[in-house]
Amino acid sequence: DSGVTQTPKHLITATGQRVTLRCSPRSGDLSVYWYQQSLDQGLQFLIQYYNGEERAKGNILERFSAQQFPDLHSELNLSSLELGDSALYFCASSEGRASGTLETQYFGPGTRLLVL
Amino acid sequence: KNEVEQSPQNLTAQEGEFITINCSYSVGISALHWLQQHPGGGIVSLFMLSSGKKKHGRLIATINIQEKHSSLHITASHPRDSAVYICAVDFQGAQKLVFGQGTRLTINP
Repeated sequence: DSGVTQTPKHLITATGQRVTLRCSPRSGDLSVYWYQQSLDQGLQFLIQYYNGEERAKGNILERFSAQQFPDLHSELNLSSLELGDSALYFCASSEGRASGTLETQYFGPGTRLLVL
Repeated sequence: KNEVEQSPQNLTAQEGEFITINCSYSVGISALHWLQQHPGGGIVSLFMLSSGKKKHGRLIATINIQEKHSSLHITASHPRDSAVYICAVDFQGAQKLVFGQGTRLTINP
């Protein structure tokens, strides 16, 4: 158990809909990362937050947005969903004392999204 | 283009064998990570390297900065090592990880 929690574990929805994925980092970790893992593109970095502020951005679509709240939990909002958004979405956290890529990242169990 | 290539894509071995998984990247990096993804989907971070070599139990990770290459070794492999192993790098301090396509390892008893 990494200490990172994600809800829900599974989500089935329809095209055009909007969903919110939630992540609670390990106790004390200030950085949160979101990743997407699809069958055709593998793992991709979406976005990183540090103590409530956006720190780094990857291949995140404009239809997707994220935020980190004062209690350090984070939410990833996916809107106008398309079939191709079906994927595993992982959240990870790290201490935040150094650049995120220079720290061990602890991954949550993931949310499996299926868009029908 | 910043690329990460892993080899082999698939590897099947017998219990007890010494395993090597390779990762090559295209340009200079500030950090390289090795991750393990279990059959159920969960991801565990194994190592973070910026130079040299690290060891944890039966796992050893090495990196050669000049050759832009890293290897993950597993000694005395066991069926519970069966998983997908993923290499990820931060290209020149871009502060975002770029992932290889993964190596699927199967260890037969």
